[in-house]
Amino acid sequence: AQSVTQPDIHITVSEGASLELRCNYSYGATPYLFWYVQSPGQGLQLLLKYFSGDTLVQGIKGFEAEFKRSQSSFNLRKPSVHWSDAAEYFCAVGASGGSYIPTFGRGTSLIVHP
Amino acid sequence: SAVISQKPSRDICQRGTSLTIQCQVDSQVTMMFWYRQQPGQSLTLIATANQGSEATYESGFVIDKFPISRPNLTFSTLTVSNMSPEDSSIYLCSVGAGLNEQFFGPGTRLTVL
Repeated sequence: AQSVTQPDIHITVSEGASLELRCNYSYGATPYLFWYVQSPGQGLQLLLKYFSGDTLVQGIKGFEAEFKRSQSSFNLRKPSVHWSDAAEYFCAVGASGGSYIPTFGRGTSLIVHP
Repeated sequence: SAVISQKPSRDICQRGTSLTIQCQVDSQVTMMFWYRQQPGQSLTLIATANQGSEATYESGFVIDKFPISRPNLTFSTLTVSNMSPEDSSIYLCSVGAGLNEQFFGPGTRLTVL
């Protein structure tokens, strides 16, 4: 079975600074990887996804993520954070030969200082 | 992507009562799911709602506590029965879009007193 780890519970950045949220996964084959964002009082919105091909994936709202097989990682990045990016971010991993249901990490809470 | 709505968006309920949450999708979908998100926690899958058959429950969740209906390919309900304060959570409906991708509704925020 697949698993995912988000090692940072909270991340605090200043507005305009760059951002990197860490995600590590465990799965024996090529995984399907996702990043979701949950703004306060909202449901989850898909930011980006990786299935195959180019390991650098572009998403919505200026986010990108890079799949690194050697490190079993799929870190989320943004070059310049806006105050509206303050939210909970969830990494998820799915199994290419599995049950169609991804496994979610525990989430990283992003705090943005003005 | 699918547009998903949930009703109610939030509710405050008394211990021992039941609440039914509705999930409506704007297109026909094969796979629908119900998740629970307890305060400060990640998502926990409650069950897969199957059209025309009983829901498939994850370990730790039972039909008597969380009965689910799926009368057609665009609608599902989750009932939280005989509620206790431990049931206070956000309940999320989602639909599968293939290759493990899911789209989520806005959630129902439940507080049990």
